[in-house]
Amino acid sequence: NAGVTQTPKFQVLKTGQSMTLQCAQDMNHNSMYWYRQDPGMGLRLIYYSASEGTTDKGEVPNGYNVSRLNKREFSLRLESAAPSQTSVYFCASSLNRGGGYTFGSGTRLTVV
Amino acid sequence: KQEVTQIPAALSVPEGENLVLNCSFTDSAIYNLQWFRQDPGKGLTSLLLIQSSQREQTSGRLNASLDKSSGRSTLYIAASQPGDSATYLCAVLISGGYNKLIFGAGTRLAVHP
Repeated sequence: NAGVTQTPKFQVLKTGQSMTLQCAQDMNHNSMYWYRQDPGMGLRLIYYSASEGTTDKGEVPNGYNVSRLNKREFSLRLESAAPSQTSVYFCASSLNRGGGYTFGSGTRLTVV
Repeated sequence: KQEVTQIPAALSVPEGENLVLNCSFTDSAIYNLQWFRQDPGKGLTSLLLIQSSQREQTSGRLNASLDKSSGRSTLYIAASQPGDSATYLCAVLISGGYNKLIFGAGTRLAVHP
């Protein structure tokens, strides 16, 4: 049971570098999400995709872009990484509006 | 604005105790409430999901209740074990607008032998 798979698990970037975090789910869920988790700030929604072909901003979208490649995959891109983007990033999915969320194991990103 | 508060922030108990973790939310217009467990350096594992029309859900030694009108949920852990040590997060899915799961800050639980 793979659930939600995130890659990579760890990454160190230099300021100004770009990278894409990958997320894939195999549960045929319609909605997918990207969160970041920071000490003292809890989990905050970056972007979400309610269904294939749509994406919308969450609470903290600045500095990020997303792509809903197909129903399974939802990627998060940092165009020019900044130290403030050092965080743990979680991808999640849900079947529909009232369904429970399933989270991936996270990507620990450090920007130096 | 929906806010979710979890009390206590941390809890340390001896093995075998029955525990109650509390979660409160300010706006009763929620779709559902979900309890998660997070181990250090790991992702979130879903424990229980309670729809807004439900009063409680049970899974093994875990029981979660929901009182939407008063904006409260409790997670009851029976006969705690050292393996239950983790951070427990409560999250509400708000109604209206877009899907948004709003998290509490969590309760950090330590169960010692």
